[in-house]
Amino acid sequence: GAVVSQHPSRVICKSGTSVKIECRSLDFQATTMFWYRQFPKQSLMLMATSNEGSKATYEQGVEKDKFLINHASLTLSTLTVTSAHPEDSSFYICSASLAATDTQYFGPGTRLTVL
Amino acid sequence: GENVEQHPSTLSVQEGDSAVIKCTYSDSASNYFPWYKQELGKRPQLIIDIRSNVGEKKDQRIAVTLNKTAKHFSLHITETQPEDSAVYFCASGGTGRRALTFGSGTRLQVQP
Repeated sequence: GAVVSQHPSRVICKSGTSVKIECRSLDFQATTMFWYRQFPKQSLMLMATSNEGSKATYEQGVEKDKFLINHASLTLSTLTVTSAHPEDSSFYICSASLAATDTQYFGPGTRLTVL
Repeated sequence: GENVEQHPSTLSVQEGDSAVIKCTYSDSASNYFPWYKQELGKRPQLIIDIRSNVGEKKDQRIAVTLNKTAKHFSLHITETQPEDSAVYFCASGGTGRRALTFGSGTRLQVQP
């Protein structure tokens, strides 16, 4: 089946630093990847849609200059949280969509803790 | 934009009983409705999905029904087992480039 990996799985950083999270589709090419954020005991909230070779589409209320998304290849999308603050602490999950279907497969998530 | 509502937020059943979770959506253009199971601290796992040209789909103990006219769909789990305990999310979407809109989740607890 389709496998999506995410790295790192957990990161703790100081306030003001930047953190990069990688999302890879391991056995298929993903022209579209999605980035979600999930706070404890809450649902997944879409942050942005990442399209290979073009600019990401951000959801309302998500700062594009704070959450930088790059989708340079068909198997890799990165999310960089710039100048992270404690309120950015959350579970960040990516998903990748198979081109021929609507099915999305999720990465294992990255738990970000900003001190 | 799309709005997905999910009920109930928590559901407790006895082992062997059935569990039903219901969702409604607002965008009539949505045509893809997956259900995900998420265990604590882990990724959502797709358990079943249905497309708008189908009214019902079944996979062993799990079934999903869709009523496009009323814009609602439901997840049915029969003969529940303790390992079914998790948070279940419904979602709606469309073409491959459209993101999914998730419901608020249902925490299912199956009592042994």
